[in-house]
Amino acid sequence: KQEVTQIPAALSVPEGENLVLNCSFTDSAIYNLQWFRQDPGKGLTSLLLIQSSQREQTSGRLNASLDKSSGRSTLYIAASQPGDSATYLCAVRPMNTGNQFYFGTGTSLTVIP
Amino acid sequence: DADVTQTPRNRITKTGKRIMLECSQTKGHDRMYWYRQDPGLGLRLIYYSFDVKDINKGEISDGYSVSRQAQAKFSLSLESAIPNQTALYFCATSDPPGLAEYEQYFGPGTRLTVT
Repeated sequence: KQEVTQIPAALSVPEGENLVLNCSFTDSAIYNLQWFRQDPGKGLTSLLLIQSSQREQTSGRLNASLDKSSGRSTLYIAASQPGDSATYLCAVRPMNTGNQFYFGTGTSLTVIP
Repeated sequence: DADVTQTPRNRITKTGKRIMLECSQTKGHDRMYWYRQDPGLGLRLIYYSFDVKDINKGEISDGYSVSRQAQAKFSLSLESAIPNQTALYFCATSDPPGLAEYEQYFGPGTRLTVT
């Protein structure tokens, strides 16, 4: 079974700082990896989707990278803002259970003004 | 209006009661999913459906049942609720494989408390 781990569980940074969130997975045979943002009391908002053939994806101040061979993905947030405060989740879709996504437990980010 | 809606948003019920959570989507997607989220455990898949006639168990289906009434509607039932089913429940939809991206879209969640 695919295991997905996100470290750290919580992170607090001052506004303006660049930061990296980490996601690791045990089985490198995946179709894709998706990063989400979750705000309290709300659902998950998709941030970036990286297909297995891609190395990275960018959207605005966000950049996600994927290294399948090492079972790792990173989400880089540039020039953090208080509005970035949320929980960030990664999810992978393994090839051997292609219809399911497996989620990490998330990193809770607080950006201090 | 939101693409994926869930009702109710919050529900408190007692042990042994039957509960139905409803999900509707306007994205036109064939695939729909039910997840539960527990602190420290992340999201886990309960059931998923590829179309009205295709329903599949996920990782943690025991104690739950589902109904796909139409392409746009997917309901989750707890036949006899128990306290360890207290959790945040999410409905999600996705495009089928073969399109450019296989991305999931989530509803706002239903917070269920079983006392």
